[in-house]
Amino acid sequence: SYELTQPPSVSVSPGQTASITCSGDKLGDKYAYWYQQRPGQSPVLVIYQNNKRPSGIPERFSGSNSGNTATLTISGTQTMDEADYYCQAWDSSSFVVFGEGTKVTVL
Amino acid sequence: DVQLLESEAGLVQPGGSLRLSCAASGFTFSNYAMNWVRQAPGKGLEWVSGISGGGGSTYYADSVKDRFTISRDNSRNTVFLHMSSLRAEDRAVYYCAKGARGVAAGTGSYFDNWGQGTLVIVSA
Repeated sequence: SYELTQPPSVSVSPGQTASITCSGDKLGDKYAYWYQQRPGQSPVLVIYQNNKRPSGIPERFSGSNSGNTATLTISGTQTMDEADYYCQAWDSSSFVVFGEGTKVTVL
Repeated sequence: DVQLLESEAGLVQPGGSLRLSCAASGFTFSNYAMNWVRQAPGKGLEWVSGISGGGGSTYYADSVKDRFTISRDNSRNTVFLHMSSLRAEDRAVYYCAKGARGVAAGTGSYFDNWGQGTLVIVSA
């Protein structure tokens, strides 16, 4: 089965840049997607097709995907960005696959 | 605006069955795949099942295959998840999630809108 690996946690100071990685075999050959889930809320799509932002998502969210690693970058991180972030890809054998999630702490 | 409204929470005994529903509005329902994603308490997201816009193609995670069945009624803009042979490990919040396109498979499969989730408890 296909697996996506994320770091459990990332800490960042307000105004700084947070980078969250997502690793999977030949992930760069697939599209990577990213979701934000604030405590007690439903997930929200923040990046699709590697680097595109849905309408309403701030420009400080950006994405990249190459080789075996996709990266979600939050520039000028704000306290409201404190949340769990999940990467997602599609694999022909496992279908939809999510990473385990990364908790972003802003302090 | 897209709205996805899941049915109320449910308590079921191990080995029992339960049907979840998700009523959609704000978009042309039959044009989009629909999915169920669950989240066990304190855990991450786990995709459960997906169905194409026309209902002709369905997909399941190995953990629920042969126990869960996804279906949809495009005349009522509703997607269902029938769960049987429920186990304690099926306890989770179940989210209804709208696919971004009509097919439920392929590298372009992702979810652009999510419901508020409904809690399923499996306990004696």
